[in-house]
Amino acid sequence: EPEVTQTPSHQVTQMGQEVILRCVPISNHLYFYWYRQILGQKVEFLVSFYNNEISEKSEIFDDQFSVERPDGSNFTLKIRSTKLEDSAMYFCASSVGRGLEETQYFGPGTRLLVL
Amino acid sequence: QKEVEQDPGPLSVPEGAIVSLNCTYSNSAFQYFMWYRQYSRKGPELLMYTYSSGNKEDGRFTAQVDKSSKYISLFIRDSQPSDSATYLCAIPSRGSARQLTFGSGTQLTVLP
Repeated sequence: EPEVTQTPSHQVTQMGQEVILRCVPISNHLYFYWYRQILGQKVEFLVSFYNNEISEKSEIFDDQFSVERPDGSNFTLKIRSTKLEDSAMYFCASSVGRGLEETQYFGPGTRLLVL
Repeated sequence: QKEVEQDPGPLSVPEGAIVSLNCTYSNSAFQYFMWYRQYSRKGPELLMYTYSSGNKEDGRFTAQVDKSSKYISLFIRDSQPSDSATYLCAIPSRGSARQLTFGSGTQLTVLP
């Protein structure tokens, strides 16, 4: 069964450094998403992406964040200058994009720790 | 008022028990309601979704929506140790399935 994959599984970085989290969505899916989950807190929506542009974004997704689909398979989340509070689990998801009743398939997540 | 609130748990039940997991939501315009299951160190996976009010059954799982009280429930019959996970209710925000608002999750442990 096709699945969303994410790399790396864990990332440790110093405050102020840039990180890029990578995702390979399911191949025939058209919508891509990033969510994050700070330890002990809710899963929170960050951004959705369709047709090579941001479709929706939350208040969390400020100027330090960017997303990109650099090629036909990868979808990336870049955090330009990491802060301590960016430490979280980051989930990528994808969906077919045909309508409202559709499933978002989540990847296993990347655990980011900012020191 | 928070958009989605979920009983925090944790919940521990013996194998075979009926489990009831619950969420409340604030916006009466919400139409789609989802339950995700998240195993430790994994991403959320969709378990069930329902549209509007009523029940939906899938094997041992039943999702129920009461729009009059803005209450959604997930029932697990004959619970198994393999059901041990965190259960998250999720509601698409702003009328779109694209932006999910999750509850805080209820951690369920089914004891053999």
